[in-house]
Amino acid sequence: QKEVEQDPGPLSVPEGAIVSLNCTYSNSAFQYFMWYRQYSRKGPELLMYTYSSGNKEDGRFTAQVDKSSKYISLFIRDSQPSDSATYLCALHRGSEKLVFGKGTKLTVNP
Amino acid sequence: DAGITQSPRHKVTETGTPVTLRCHQTENHRYMYWYRQDPGHGLRLIHYSYGVKDTDKGEVSDGYSVSRSKTEDFLLTLESATSSQTSVYFCAISPGGAVETQYFGPGTRLLVL
Repeated sequence: QKEVEQDPGPLSVPEGAIVSLNCTYSNSAFQYFMWYRQYSRKGPELLMYTYSSGNKEDGRFTAQVDKSSKYISLFIRDSQPSDSATYLCALHRGSEKLVFGKGTKLTVNP
Repeated sequence: DAGITQSPRHKVTETGTPVTLRCHQTENHRYMYWYRQDPGHGLRLIHYSYGVKDTDKGEVSDGYSVSRSKTEDFLLTLESATSSQTSVYFCAISPGGAVETQYFGPGTRLLVL
């Protein structure tokens, strides 16, 4: 069983839609949950991270962690064409390395 | 890109040749990382460093070596490049060593023929 599973998409939505991006994981020891955004031919950019369970909001972005279900989500409200990118989830168990999902490619159509 | 530069940005080389990629940071962070990104695999850690001359292996370190003689520079060497090392290589830093806040450079696209 893979440590982190992420649907690669692609996901295509109209401008203004609410987008839901998700990852599932297998190891309950993961404590930190990150979301990165990667534009084409660029390096990943840290959007936000969450420690343990709960929600975290930053502008139009909300990260949600459900440790009981081993499920993490990133919601994008009022999506914009500039949100078109690949979104990567990443997890870690404390001082160890990051484990990345393979990324979901999102296109927001004007 | 968090004060990180990578050089070269693109490189084409032949199988069997050594290749060195450079990561340079301007903010004196202790922790630096090298990743590769491949379709179907995502980002995978090659090596990391927690200080000058202090390095350790990641999950895909075979065929790679690293060196860090100055805080600002972290070098990744492919000792004898193979076609399976064709990839995009990213350097990252983590301020204060916090693994959950890694910031990535712009990447180096390497093609091994």
